[in-house]
Amino acid sequence: KAGVTQTPRYLIKTRGQQVTLSCSPISGHRSVSWYQQTPGQGLQFLFEYFSETQRNKGNFPGRFSGRQFSNSRSEMNVSTLELGDSALYLCASSFSTAAKETQYFGPGTRLLVL
Amino acid sequence: GQNIDQPTEMTATEGAIVQINCTYQTSGFNGLFWYQQHAGEAPTFLSYNVLDGLEEKGRFSSFLSRSKGYSYLLLKELQMKDSASYLCAAYNNAGNMLTFGGGTRLMVKP
Repeated sequence: KAGVTQTPRYLIKTRGQQVTLSCSPISGHRSVSWYQQTPGQGLQFLFEYFSETQRNKGNFPGRFSGRQFSNSRSEMNVSTLELGDSALYLCASSFSTAAKETQYFGPGTRLLVL
Repeated sequence: GQNIDQPTEMTATEGAIVQINCTYQTSGFNGLFWYQQHAGEAPTFLSYNVLDGLEEKGRFSSFLSRSKGYSYLLLKELQMKDSASYLCAAYNNAGNMLTFGGGTRLMVKP
């Protein structure tokens, strides 16, 4: 079974631009969560989607948004990029939202904002 | 609020045993995950504890005490490839959300 895939793997943008990142979960998984990882803040939860609905959102500004499609693939968008948005963006998928379900992480998209 | 603490760095010798501690204060707590993350790679699942007690899985074991808000990851017979960051994360089932600690960078020396 293929793992979680994320595209692109690396991205360089300039301040003020916007970016869209994509995540394809493990086949059969319906929950997709997004996390931001930076050296200073560690791994922080962005949002989680299940069956095309955003169920939970972390403490990030409205510039960060996402969506999920009917095939469970998910995208996240960051508008008006800031230097501080430079980070590794990870998505994780799980079969359901039950507590016992392990979240499996993709390889991440490394975003550099210049 | 959510607060998870773990040591920033630890060093151990190949073949030895190391224990990485994690304390947490979170609302809606439903379980504690441990992940391993090598530099430049995604976190990989190690263990998930819901009930109090020790769970053993090969060279790795994880312990949870819900009443004390405490967990540890025990690594035995350390190998050089165990050099990585170890992340503890509290699971909140209100939103299928993981709250991560800052990670413990473990360096295994020969």
